[in-house]
Amino acid sequence: KAGVTQTPRYLIKTRGQQVTLSCSPISGHRSVSWYQQTPGQGLQFLFEYFSETQRNKGNFPGRFSGRQFSNSRSEMNVSTLELGDSALYLCASSPSTGGSYEQYFGPGTRLTVT
Amino acid sequence: AQRVTQPEKLLSVFKGAPVELKCNYSYSGSPELFWYVQYSRQRLQLLLRHISRESIKGFTADLNKGETSFHLKKPFAQEEDSAMYYCALARDDKIIFGKGTRLHILP
Repeated sequence: KAGVTQTPRYLIKTRGQQVTLSCSPISGHRSVSWYQQTPGQGLQFLFEYFSETQRNKGNFPGRFSGRQFSNSRSEMNVSTLELGDSALYLCASSPSTGGSYEQYFGPGTRLTVT
Repeated sequence: AQRVTQPEKLLSVFKGAPVELKCNYSYSGSPELFWYVQYSRQRLQLLLRHISRESIKGFTADLNKGETSFHLKKPFAQEEDSAMYYCALARDDKIIFGKGTRLHILP
């Protein structure tokens, strides 16, 4: 099976702009989660989508939003970018059925905000 | 609230010495616990899960419900073990990660 893919891999934006990141989960996985990873804060959970519905949400401002499509692909959007949004954004998919919560991570999108 | 605590941000260990990465959790039920690892320039990946009770790359982790701990151990550290390690707890369709511990193996 192909692994989780994320596009783009690298992105440079300026403050105030918005950005959309994309994630394609492993075939058959219905759950997609998004994380922000920084050296100072480690891995922080953004939100999780399951069957096109947001199932869980972390403590991030409303500028961070996401959605999931019927084919389980997911997008994450950040509006009005701030310098502090510079981070590696990871997507993870999971079967999330039958009690299986194992997360399969993508390579990440490195976002730099200048 | 459910929480996963990894008390050490950085752990430096000499090659050949034993390694113990600490993980404590707060959850009253029966959690599913994991260790994830991220090697340099590689994606985050599952190292092991408590229900499988297996040893991966020489690492083991035992769930201690009394102490609510799930420490990761290896008897003899190798240089290739240098990486970022995350402990995670899953319950009720939610997974919670600790802040991570960077393991640095000294030659």
